[in-house]
Amino acid sequence: DTAVSQTPKYLVTQMGNDKSIKCEQNLGHDTMYWYKQDSKKFLKIMFSYNNKELIINETVPNRFSPKSPDKAHLNLHINSLELGDSAVYFCASRETGRGNTIYFGEGSWLTVV
Amino acid sequence: DQQVKQNSPSLSVQEGRISILNCDYTNSMFDYFLWYKKYPAEGPTFLISISSIKDKNEDGRFTVFLNKSAKHLSLHIVPSQPGDSAVYFCAASGRGTPLVFGKGTRLSVIA
Repeated sequence: DTAVSQTPKYLVTQMGNDKSIKCEQNLGHDTMYWYKQDSKKFLKIMFSYNNKELIINETVPNRFSPKSPDKAHLNLHINSLELGDSAVYFCASRETGRGNTIYFGEGSWLTVV
Repeated sequence: DQQVKQNSPSLSVQEGRISILNCDYTNSMFDYFLWYKKYPAEGPTFLISISSIKDKNEDGRFTVFLNKSAKHLSLHIVPSQPGDSAVYFCAASGRGTPLVFGKGTRLSVIA
């Protein structure tokens, strides 16, 4: 009965490859996010989707492309991976409304070698 | 430009004593504040929140205090337990702003 699930949990890949991380939430929330936690431990928002529409796109390279096939899914595709993309990527979801809590997935540890 | 700052990267506390984790913010538009707890290899989990209309919110052993004039909030855990050992993230949001996190404070509760 996992609320926000993301796969894979661990991913090691070579520079230049293209990879995807999938995220699904079964909470019925209308907003989903991707956050990145880098080596300095900052948790920074990358993207936010509300009802399948992009509403936040922070300064993230074009190599990162989120795709939301429906309200319950928000996948992250990364092209031409670089060493600096190594980080933990967290998917999250929330029901729009003041005071509503964001729920996070367990994280996907991406290592680019 | 860190809008949410947790200046203590780590904190050690004896079991049974009080743990106080601090957080400062710079954006006066923030009106909702949360604390998340994170264990290794897991995602952050929501712990407690407070809106700017309050200055205190309590939930069991956890209490969050908000000082709007100082742009400061703190999380008190009393009594601290070994299972509380984790990284605690302070987060803030406001109308039209996404949730912004601090860098986290690693709490170690020593038995």
